[in-house]
Amino acid sequence: EAQVTQNPRYLITVTGKKLTVTCSQNMNHEYMSWYRQDPGLGLRQIYYSMNVEVTDKGDVPEGYKVSRKEKRNFPLILESPSPNQTSLYFCASSPHTDTQYFGPGTRLTVL
Amino acid sequence: AQKITQTQPGMFVQEKEAVTLDCTYDTSDQSYGLFWYKQPSSGEMIFLIYQGSYDEQNATEGRYSLNFQKARKSANLVISASQLGDSAMYFCAMRGRNYGQNFVFGPGTRLSVLP
Repeated sequence: EAQVTQNPRYLITVTGKKLTVTCSQNMNHEYMSWYRQDPGLGLRQIYYSMNVEVTDKGDVPEGYKVSRKEKRNFPLILESPSPNQTSLYFCASSPHTDTQYFGPGTRLTVL
Repeated sequence: AQKITQTQPGMFVQEKEAVTLDCTYDTSDQSYGLFWYKQPSSGEMIFLIYQGSYDEQNATEGRYSLNFQKARKSANLVISASQLGDSAMYFCAMRGRNYGQNFVFGPGTRLSVLP
């Protein structure tokens, strides 16, 4: 089944404790992206990647890191999480010029 | 900077009636794509419909159609014959930067379909 998977789906952590949210797609898509969703703000793009080893900042990259070492994986790294990074996070992938396919979301709470 | 505006935080519609969800956008790009997504209460993001900036015809997908008015920079979603399962958040989004990969989303409209 064609899909985008994210892990974990739910995470509660404390300020400053490094964490990684994994994202994987099995559709051989070149493009992958991370978003955060906050009430009243819609989805805001954090980082995106056009292909392996090619990443670029979205609109809200501060406090996040990404890497794209393999085509199928695009992990999101929070080196020192803070409470304002409490949010719902979505990973997405797409063929180069098509719509995006979203993962199920990861709900992160930083205490 | 690119921006999507959805001025209707919430909408109600009677079952089987049509409803229009508003979306206006701002961009200096000549080429761009416009998208609508549905997010039910379960949380997943579901792609509904796409319109390219150079497409002359309005996009349609089943009960969904996109009313694209380029000069007014609007891309309204029309849902015909509303069903109870249409109750959800709806997001308008744009891919700009000359069909690059910077996606911008609007704040969303919560649609409630009444029986």
